[in-house]
Amino acid sequence: KAGVTQTPRYLIKTRGQQVTLSCSPISGHRSVSWYQQTPGQGLQFLFEYFSETQRNKGNFPGRFSGRQFSNSRSEMNVSTLELGDSALYLCASSQYSDPSYEQYFGPGTRLTVT
Amino acid sequence: AQSVTQLDSQVPVFEEAPVELRCNYSSSVSVYLFWYVQYPNQGLQLLLKYLSGSTLVKSINGFEAEFNKSQTSFHLRKPSVHISDTAEYFCAVSGSSNTGKLIFGQGTTLQVKP
Repeated sequence: KAGVTQTPRYLIKTRGQQVTLSCSPISGHRSVSWYQQTPGQGLQFLFEYFSETQRNKGNFPGRFSGRQFSNSRSEMNVSTLELGDSALYLCASSQYSDPSYEQYFGPGTRLTVT
Repeated sequence: AQSVTQLDSQVPVFEEAPVELRCNYSSSVSVYLFWYVQYPNQGLQLLLKYLSGSTLVKSINGFEAEFNKSQTSFHLRKPSVHISDTAEYFCAVSGSSNTGKLIFGQGTTLQVKP
C-alpha cells in the first residue's frame, strides 16, 4: 500500500498571503489529522477530519482551516500568513476516528513564510 | 487535560551501549501510549504502542517500552544501540475523549556515537 502523501513538500510564501496544503491518506483510511511542528512549540494538533466532518480541533486561530473530500483526501488552508506560521505541517491518516488506532504520518510540507 | 513530559531533550550514547528515553504522562482518563521516531527531513514512524494488556511492548527493531500506571510512565529502552538509531524520539498519548488527537512530548534526540 502507498503511504500518506503530502504536496507540496516545500513552500515559500510571503507574509499576508494564503496557502493550501494537500494530504492523501493511505487507501482505506478515513480519518485525517493535521499537526504543526516547530522547534519552539514542538508537535501540536491542528484538527481531525473523518467522513468529511471535522471531529476535533486544536488551539489554533481561525486562520487555520481544513476540509476533507469524499475520497478522504484532505486539505488545510492558512490565510493571512504570519512569520510564526513557518513550520513543518504533518498529515496523518488512520482507519477510524478512534484514539486506539495508530496514525500513519506523511513526510510533511515545509512552509517558510518570509 | 492530558500532557506528556519527556525528561531529556538530548541523550548521547556510545554504539552498543544500552539506552533509556524517559516519558511521563498525566491524564484523568484511560490513555493509549505511543512512541514515534523521526529521522531528519522525514515524517514520524510508529515505533511501538500500548493499548491494553501486557505492560511490556516490543518493536521489531529491538526497542521496548513498559507502561507503568502507578508512576504514569512509558519509558523506552534498547539494550544495545546502533548508529542508525540516531534520530528524534517522541512519546505521545491519546485518550477516549480526544479522537484523532495525539498529544506529544517535546522529543528526545538520541545521538549514537561510534
